[in-house]
Amino acid sequence: DTEVTQTPKHLVMGMTNKKSLKCEQHMGHRAMYWYKQKAKKPPELMFVYSYEKLSINESVPSRFSPECPNSSLLNLHLHALQPEDSALYLCASSQEVTGANVLTFGAGSRLTVL
Amino acid sequence: AQRVTQPEKLLSVFKGAPVELKCNYSYSGSPELFWYVQYSRQRLQLLLRHISRESIKGFTADLNKGETSFHLKKPFAQEEDSAMYYCALRRDYGQNFVFGPGTRLSVLP
Repeated sequence: DTEVTQTPKHLVMGMTNKKSLKCEQHMGHRAMYWYKQKAKKPPELMFVYSYEKLSINESVPSRFSPECPNSSLLNLHLHALQPEDSALYLCASSQEVTGANVLTFGAGSRLTVL
Repeated sequence: AQRVTQPEKLLSVFKGAPVELKCNYSYSGSPELFWYVQYSRQRLQLLLRHISRESIKGFTADLNKGETSFHLKKPFAQEEDSAMYYCALRRDYGQNFVFGPGTRLSVLP
């Protein structure tokens, strides 16, 4: 399995809802990432987990809460989001080997906040 | 702070013409540079990286530390090369990848 799988593909939620985005990989990668991509913009780093520990948090609002239950899974819990949080959320993974650390991306979860 | 710039939002060339997508970066440490590509309705994927010094789908890119550039080149563009291209920088071989704004390449028949 050489893919990063994200669910759901599409999510519509209200500002008072609680929902979660899920990401899974079975490539043995030990780093997993959440990126946010607005329309016609590049991906922006949100969080990085390395060996299941949060290693980078790019000053993301607390209404986004990441979780890494194990080395294959990454969740992004969403609560009290704003309409401006509507975007494509990309999950990625990479090996933690110097010189071979390239990102493998999932197809993304498109989030719409009403 | 590290920064990646791609001056062209859109680049249109005719099939068979040479193409060059520009990428410049600013970073004082040891950068690692990548090109990622997103074809229509497909996920973002790695095209090539500077440490490999390889040619993928006819594309090459050379890291020029003096000019802080990592331009992507192909001598003869094909219609299937039409896509969004992002230049990316990884800081100090760590986990912080920064993407440029992207260039949309359109190869005309």
